[in-house]
Amino acid sequence: DQQVKQNSPSLSVQEGRISILNCDYTNSMFDYFLWYKKYPAEGPTFLISISSIKDKNEDGRFTVFLNKSAKHLSLHIVPSQPGDSAVYFCAASDSGGSNYKLTFGKGTLLTVNP
Amino acid sequence: GAGVSQTPSNKVTEKGKYVELRCDPISGHTALYWYRQSLGQGPEFLIYFQGTGAADDSGLPNDRFFAVRPEGSVSTLKIQRTERGDSAVYLCASSPAGALSGNTIYFGEGSWLTVV
Repeated sequence: DQQVKQNSPSLSVQEGRISILNCDYTNSMFDYFLWYKKYPAEGPTFLISISSIKDKNEDGRFTVFLNKSAKHLSLHIVPSQPGDSAVYFCAASDSGGSNYKLTFGKGTLLTVNP
Repeated sequence: GAGVSQTPSNKVTEKGKYVELRCDPISGHTALYWYRQSLGQGPEFLIYFQGTGAADDSGLPNDRFFAVRPEGSVSTLKIQRTERGDSAVYLCASSPAGALSGNTIYFGEGSWLTVV
């Protein structure tokens, strides 16, 4: 049972445009969310996170939006650059002292075309 | 190096053999994690160490899998009687502390295990 779902296996975007990657979750105990970026033959790299007490967090070109009622979050990349081409993983965690454990989605392959 | 180091980067082994995968975390990081990523899937949690002790091993799939961190730094993931279904990338990660809030988990490049 997938508790974190990334329903789009791939996304292709033109350089300079916005990339929107989506993620849905089913576990209402999740209260901390992260996005990781992964290049081939490398480990995942932390990108941005958001706590459930917020609905938006921004870091440069990257913004994460959280809609708790819909159990949905999205990552916006503006403007998209060819170097952003990678697999993006959404991950979630719950609190209560166990918030070290991440549950990942299957990932979305983003391709930014020059 | 400054990052999480994992060896070997690639390992091919025969079904039924024993395998050890090593992780050298970032210096000073007390928390260490093992994840497994199968083809087409996201990473799945295996085990978490806080210092020398396994604080949570609930993700280990069965008793063929075992991990140690005897001195609170380097960790070894051990797989006995390997099966073809064990083929995956085994990712190690570390963080300054066990709590996620305000911390970042840093992943290594992974050890790609293929069981033939």
